[in-house]
Amino acid sequence: AQSVAQPEDQVNVAEGNPLTVKCTYSVSGNPYLFWYVQYPNRGLQFLLKYITGDNLVKGSYGFEAEFNKSQTSFHLKKPSALVSDSALYFCAVRRNSGNTPLVFGKGTRLSVIA
Amino acid sequence: EAGVVQSPRYKIIEKKQPVAFWCNPISGHNTLYWYRQNLGQGPELLIRYENEEAVDDSQLPKDRFSAERLKGVDSTLKIQPAELGDSAVYLCASSPRDYGYEQYFGPGTRLTVT
Repeated sequence: AQSVAQPEDQVNVAEGNPLTVKCTYSVSGNPYLFWYVQYPNRGLQFLLKYITGDNLVKGSYGFEAEFNKSQTSFHLKKPSALVSDSALYFCAVRRNSGNTPLVFGKGTRLSVIA
Repeated sequence: EAGVVQSPRYKIIEKKQPVAFWCNPISGHNTLYWYRQNLGQGPELLIRYENEEAVDDSQLPKDRFSAERLKGVDSTLKIQPAELGDSAVYLCASSPRDYGYEQYFGPGTRLTVT
């Protein structure tokens, strides 16, 4: 079975500081990994994905994430946080083969304080 | 490019009443997904379509939920009869194909069952 853990319900960071939103996963075989962001009353928006290749993935709005196979992690990072980054962030995983669904974590609420 | 369209955005019904949600995916996207997102949780897959074929409906409560995707474009998700526990946000998403592609989400329908 596949699963995703986002250990922090809430992350607070000052504007201009670096931010990290943590994600660890469990999947049999090799994973496809995704980060999505959700703003109030809106659907999820895709940020970035790891499919294969370079472990450091760069995405939208200056976000990046690093795939670490040994630690089964895919933490989301940004060098300098903006107030507009405040939102709900979801990590998701699926196995890269077979008829398996995309499984989401519970989400982490990021609050960037001016 | 137009995004995924869903309607209605909000729906309040009494328990035991029927309800239907409609989704129009991004043009050319063969894969369509319906998710349910409970408060404080990530989305959970209900059903996935490849064109007009439901290829993963293992999480769909078939005693009260039904879905269709006629002509492989628009889709409708129905609940009959609704129960209090069905209150949630119902999200539709689409992607060009299933594997390796990110999913594009609609804004969702917030269902409240009283």
